[in-house]
Amino acid sequence: NAGVTQTPKFQVLKTGQSMTLQCAQDMNHEYMSWYRQDPGMGLRLIHYSVGAGITDQGEVPNGYNVSRSTTEDFPLRLLSAAPSQTSVYFCASSYKKTGQTSYGYTFGSGTRLTVV
Amino acid sequence: KNQVEQSPQSLIILEGKNCTLQCNYTVSPFSNLRWYKQDTGRGPVSLTIMTFSENTKSNGRYTATLDADTKQSSLHITASQLSDSASYICVVSAKGGSYIPTFGRGTSLIVHP
Repeated sequence: NAGVTQTPKFQVLKTGQSMTLQCAQDMNHEYMSWYRQDPGMGLRLIHYSVGAGITDQGEVPNGYNVSRSTTEDFPLRLLSAAPSQTSVYFCASSYKKTGQTSYGYTFGSGTRLTVV
Repeated sequence: KNQVEQSPQSLIILEGKNCTLQCNYTVSPFSNLRWYKQDTGRGPVSLTIMTFSENTKSNGRYTATLDADTKQSSLHITASQLSDSASYICVVSAKGGSYIPTFGRGTSLIVHP
């Protein structure tokens, strides 16, 4: 199994450009999410999805869009890149919550994005 | 507001030594606590997950403890190796409908030969 695959690994954008970060998982996980990680800060949730066709906002959703048309894929779109979006982006997935307990997350290897 | 505080922020130890990392949280009602290891340039990898009823869980040389009464957890690393150099992240989830876990900022561990 590949686990969680993120592409690209590195990207440089100019301010105002748009792009899509790809995330795919092959573990049949229902729950998928996007995080950004900035120096000195913990991982912050951007958007998440509890199943195909269902998405919701996390802590820092502004400037980002998501969709979940299939169980496997959860792309993150930057609408108009800004230097403040320079960060490392991680996609994570897990099985659906069972009762009150979540399973552990499987993270991708990350996309390092620089906006100039 | 749910918070997870980790200490120390960074730690340097010699290979072969033991160390303990701390995690204090205010997440309520508590569901589970996880410790992740994140190597430089990689995504976090799960080490342990503990629910309310568990107070100790081991994964090789890593042992996590949980005191749900004081809302504290620790991660003890025994006989450290150079490969233990990484960031260790404490993550706490609450019960209920929220799918948003609370992440600590991590402890950066450097193991010197």
